[in-house]
Amino acid sequence: KQEVTQIPAALSVPEGENLVLNCSFTDSAIYNLQWFRQDPGKGLTSLLLIQSSQREQTSGRLNASLDKSSGRSTLYIAASQPGDSATYLCAVRRRSGSARQLTFGSGTQLTVLP
Amino acid sequence: DGGITQSPKYLFRKEGQNVTLSCEQNLNHDAMYWYRQDPGQGLRLIYYSQIVNDFQKGDIAEGYSVSREKKESFPLTVTSAQKNPTAFYLCASSPSGAGGDNEQFFGPGTRLTVL
Repeated sequence: KQEVTQIPAALSVPEGENLVLNCSFTDSAIYNLQWFRQDPGKGLTSLLLIQSSQREQTSGRLNASLDKSSGRSTLYIAASQPGDSATYLCAVRRRSGSARQLTFGSGTQLTVLP
Repeated sequence: DGGITQSPKYLFRKEGQNVTLSCEQNLNHDAMYWYRQDPGQGLRLIYYSQIVNDFQKGDIAEGYSVSREKKESFPLTVTSAQKNPTAFYLCASSPSGAGGDNEQFFGPGTRLTVL
């Protein structure tokens, strides 16, 4: 059974700092990995999608990497801003069973202090 | 505007009642999903549907039911058999296609509270 872990559960940094969020998964047989942002009481906003054949994806100040063999992904946020404060979730799409099922981590709650 | 809408935003249920959460999408996506989120936890899959008139149980389907009579609609009923229904419910959709490389898009969620 696929398990997804995100460490740390919470992170607080001063504005302007570069930071890395971690995601690990137990089964490397995945189609892709997706990073989401969730603001309190809101739905999920997709940030980056990395296919299993890719090593990284970039969007603005965000860069996500994928090392399938070691079961790890990182989300790098450059020059953090208070508006980046949110919970960040990673999810992997399984190869076994339904091709469209996602398994989610429990998230990292990020606070960027002004 | 294209997107996924969920209603209501907040829902209160008395013990023993069934309630239905609405999810509508105008993205022309074939696949739709229902997830449950509890505080400090990731999302868990309740039901999903890859095509109209077909749906499959996810990891925590007990006490829930769904229907998929129209492509754009995937309502979720929380029955009285669900012992701990208080949670945040999220609906998602994705395009069809072979393989599993399609991105999922999420609605704004419905917060259900049992009184």
